[in-house]
Amino acid sequence: NAGVTQTPKFQVLKTGQSMTLQCAQDMNHEYMSWYRQDPGMGLRLIHYSVGAGITDQGEVPNGYNVSRSTTEDFPLRLLSAAPSQTSVYFCASSPWVSDREKLFFGSGTQLSVL
Amino acid sequence: EDQVTQSPEALRLQEGESSSLNCSYTVSGLRGLFWYRQDPGKGPEFLFTLYSAGEEKEKERLKATLTKKESFLHITAPKPEDSATYLCAVQEVKTSYDKVIFGPGTSLSVIP
Repeated sequence: NAGVTQTPKFQVLKTGQSMTLQCAQDMNHEYMSWYRQDPGMGLRLIHYSVGAGITDQGEVPNGYNVSRSTTEDFPLRLLSAAPSQTSVYFCASSPWVSDREKLFFGSGTQLSVL
Repeated sequence: EDQVTQSPEALRLQEGESSSLNCSYTVSGLRGLFWYRQDPGKGPEFLFTLYSAGEEKEKERLKATLTKKESFLHITAPKPEDSATYLCAVQEVKTSYDKVIFGPGTSLSVIP
């Protein structure tokens, strides 16, 4: 059972470049989300989805896009990378219906924007 | 403004030296308070959920307690393998995951 899988693990971008962070889960979870983690600030929610075709903004959505075409996948797109987006990104999922508060996290993507 | 704070920011303990981590929160109504453990280079791993004041939960050397304004994570006779960052998060009543607020964490080091 792989759980939540994120790729890549590390990425370096130049300012203005675009890229997609991948997230996949094999637990048939309805809820999926993206967080960024910065020193001293805790995890902040970027975007989330409560099912295929349904997405919504979190606390810090600017500069990021998401889509949810399948239950399994929830990619995060950076349209034009900025140094302020240097961070560690985590994808998380949850069953939503039962044990709903328990989030399962991926291992993270460390992104540096130069 | 709803927020979650954790103290201390970092804690260094000798093996076997018991201590407590604090999580203070200000939300209009608490639906649940969660503790996660995060190892370096990994994602957070769920430990406990507490729902109401007075509730306690235990797992091995860890015990989490909850009052109306704060939660404590008590670590009894810690071992080096307990070294990690411990995150607290709260969810408001009548809201969904978009209102799960994470604290900045406490970095725990247990020295042999």
